[in-house]
This record gives sequence, structure tokens and C-alpha cells, in this order.
Amino acid sequence: GAGVSQSPSNKVTEKGKDVELRCDPISGHTALYWYRQSLGQGLEFLIYFQGNSAPDKSGLPSDRFSAERTGGSVSTLTIQRTQQEDSAVYLCASKGMATEDTQYFGPGTRLTVL
Amino acid sequence: KQEVTQIPAALSVPEGENLVLNCSFTDSAIYNLQWFRQDPGKGLTSLLLIQSSQREQTSGRLNASLDKSSGRSTLYIAASQPGDSATYLCAVRHTGTASKLTFGTGTRLQVTL
Repeated sequence: GAGVSQSPSNKVTEKGKDVELRCDPISGHTALYWYRQSLGQGLEFLIYFQGNSAPDKSGLPSDRFSAERTGGSVSTLTIQRTQQEDSAVYLCASKGMATEDTQYFGPGTRLTVL
Repeated sequence: KQEVTQIPAALSVPEGENLVLNCSFTDSAIYNLQWFRQDPGKGLTSLLLIQSSQREQTSGRLNASLDKSSGRSTLYIAASQPGDSATYLCAVRHTGTASKLTFGTGTRLQVTL
């Protein structure tokens, strides 16, 4: 079946603008994760959704970052008033219900803030 | 705070060589450890997942080991091929958390003809 998809694949924006990044998880997956991969740094966890539970937002770097997951499926990561340090690849992953399931990653959105 | 380190950061080997990638983590209270492959401009592909109770996992030419008590894992690639060229990431999943992963910074592998 289809894997995790993300859009757009590339986004160039000006400093101070808001951006929205979209993730379509694998159908039926209850868990959804957002990660950020900055140049020269490893992947860092941002936020996690599990079913109807309150999301784990412990990885969000500032209050300019927010995410929502509508209908338990599609998720949108929003970055307000973008800064140059927000430039990174944003990766989304989804996972099935079993605790041992692996996370399946999308191709990512490359965000460049000028 | 869990820290995951991968050595070496980059590696270049001729085709056919066997090689070992290393991963170390500071907190041994992990649920599992996973090795991923990342190709340029693409997402991550899971290669092997080792549960905390396991010592190793094998898939084809790949073998991953886990020594939880010492905080180490290795990924062994046998008879390397140019198609193995990619960045290899290890990630640990913590116990008692929302299954979020902590990643190492990766090893960039180049297999030359």
C-alpha cells in the first residue's frame, strides 16, 4: 500500500512568514510523529500523536511551532514567524498499534528560510 | 538525557569489503534499538530492529548486535556493494515513553567500485 507522504517536498519562504507542512500517514496507523533534521545535527523529535490522546509536545523548540492531527489521520505542522534557524528537513513518521511496530518515515519537507 | 553517538561519521570502502558501523548510547533503559538507512533527498528506511531482550538481528548481508548493558550496538555489512552507499542512522526508543526515538548523527558510507 501507499507509504507516508509529505507535502510540499520543498518550501522556500522569507523570514517572518508562516508555513504549513502536511503529512499523510499510512492508512490505519494510529501514531504519528514529527522530527526535524538540521544540517550537521541528528534527527530531533518534535511532537507525537497517538489516537485521541493529548499529543506529546515535549520536543517543540518554541511556541512558534504547533501541530494538529485532524480526524486521526492527516497532520499539519505549522511554524509561525519563521526564522533562519528553522531551515531544516522536517520528517513525518507513522506507526501501527502494536508496541513493537517500527516507525515508517515519509520523504520529508525541506524548508529553507531566507 | 539520552545521547546517541555514531562512529565513524564517514566511511569510504572499496566494493566487497566487510564493514562495521558503531553506535553508543548513554542510557541503557531502552525499549529497542533500530538501524535506519537514509538516501539523499529521501526518508528513512528501517533496516533492523532489535528489542532490548535480544542480542542480534540479521537480514541478508546485514547483522546488528546489541549490548544494552554497555550501551553499544554495531551494524555489520558483509560484502559491501555500491548500492549500500547511504547514511546509516541508529535510534533508540526509550522505555515508558511515547515511543519517540533518539537518533545518532549518522555514518555516511561510500562504497566505491
